[in-house]
Amino acid sequence: EVQLVESGGGLVKPGGSLRLSCAASGFTFSSYSMNWVRQAPGKGLEWVSSISSSSSYIYYADSVKGRFTISRDNAKNSLYLQMNSLRAEDTAVYYCARGAGDYVPFDLWGRGTLVTVSS
Amino acid sequence: SYVLTQPPSVSVAPGQTARITCGGNNIGSKSVHWYQQKPGQAPVLVVYDDSDRPSGIPERFSGSNSGNTATLTISRVEAGDEADYYCQVWDSSSDPPGVVFGGGTKLTVL
Repeated sequence: EVQLVESGGGLVKPGGSLRLSCAASGFTFSSYSMNWVRQAPGKGLEWVSSISSSSSYIYYADSVKGRFTISRDNAKNSLYLQMNSLRAEDTAVYYCARGAGDYVPFDLWGRGTLVTVSS
Repeated sequence: SYVLTQPPSVSVAPGQTARITCGGNNIGSKSVHWYQQKPGQAPVLVVYDDSDRPSGIPERFSGSNSGNTATLTISRVEAGDEADYYCQVWDSSSDPPGVVFGGGTKLTVL
């Protein structure tokens, strides 16, 4: 089955760190760009970061630049998001999504993992 | 940075046509993609590259893009179409480039 499954979310204190993972299956992971998108409670979608198929190109939203790091392991069919210096405003459901074109559109999404930043 | 503007809400009666707009500076020069998100679920791609539909998406969903406005049109609206809809583009004009989402439109089926 073609799917993406996120993990690693949870409760973390402000200033803390968390690493999200996204396991891909059912397709050739190494052929696709991958992305992280988040959604704060009751809010809209916010793009977080994108990584090309070979990791040659990486892009971040200004809101996370310098704090978050996207990476991938094509041998393990996995995407990661290392989140440091977390803030309350980073509280959201984090989705991984497959890029169908160069980076967009996102044609396959995971179910998301909730990150809560609170003391 | 590039901004996409959507109306917060659109209401339509069953069987009628819903039109959801996405405004952006010269958006007609970009490829626009649309997502449907129902409560508690992940988004689903319903229109890509302005007007193409992924497999499995009903023909009732269509899109257009010209000038400063892209439009998602849902014909013969059904109760099951009630959801939030988001437009998206790849902003290659910014440095660095990146993905932009509109603020989302809540479609209510009366």
